[in-house]
Amino acid sequence: QKEVEQDPGPLSVPEGAIVSLNCTYSNSAFQYFMWYRQYSRKGPELLMYTYSSGNKEDGRFTAQVDKSSKYISLFIRDSQPSDSATYLCAMSAPSGSRLTFGEGTQLTVNP
Amino acid sequence: NAGVTQTPKFQVLKTGQSMTLQCAQDMNHNSMYWYRQDPGMGLRLIYYSASEGTTDKGEVPNGYNVSRLNKREFSLRLESAAPSQTSVYFCASSESPYTDTQYFGPGTRLTVL
Repeated sequence: QKEVEQDPGPLSVPEGAIVSLNCTYSNSAFQYFMWYRQYSRKGPELLMYTYSSGNKEDGRFTAQVDKSSKYISLFIRDSQPSDSATYLCAMSAPSGSRLTFGEGTQLTVNP
Repeated sequence: NAGVTQTPKFQVLKTGQSMTLQCAQDMNHNSMYWYRQDPGMGLRLIYYSASEGTTDKGEVPNGYNVSRLNKREFSLRLESAAPSQTSVYFCASSESPYTDTQYFGPGTRLTVL
């Protein structure tokens, strides 16, 4: 069983929809949670960074962490065609531990 | 600033050939990483260098070697390429190991025939 599970999709939504992307994990030591966005044939870029539990909002993006359920989410409001990309979750335990990535969810936002 | 640069962008090798993938960063970061990305497997860490002068194995190190040439440069070598090493390779860097934001290069697409 993988330490981090992420539905690879593909996920296709109309422009303006609210998108929910999710990851589950099994390692209770994870405390740092990240979402990376990867456009086709490009390297991943950090989108959101959260420490421990709670919510973090940045513009149209909201990251949620529920450590009791070992579940993290990324919400995209008013989705745009430019949001079409693969979204990877990543997480790690305290300093000295490597990042563990999810498989990535491929999202397409249709005009 | 160019950020993280990788060369080459594409490469085709025959089984048994060797090659070196080059990576450089201009952000004065201490830590550098090599990942491979395969369908259904996500990003997997091959090797990393927490600081200049140190290197350590990641999740999938077999068949690879690395050199941290200086603070800016971190190379990945395939001594005898195998078809199983067909993948997209990403170099990344961060200010400090792991929990700090990692910045990725554009990737090298490698095919081993």
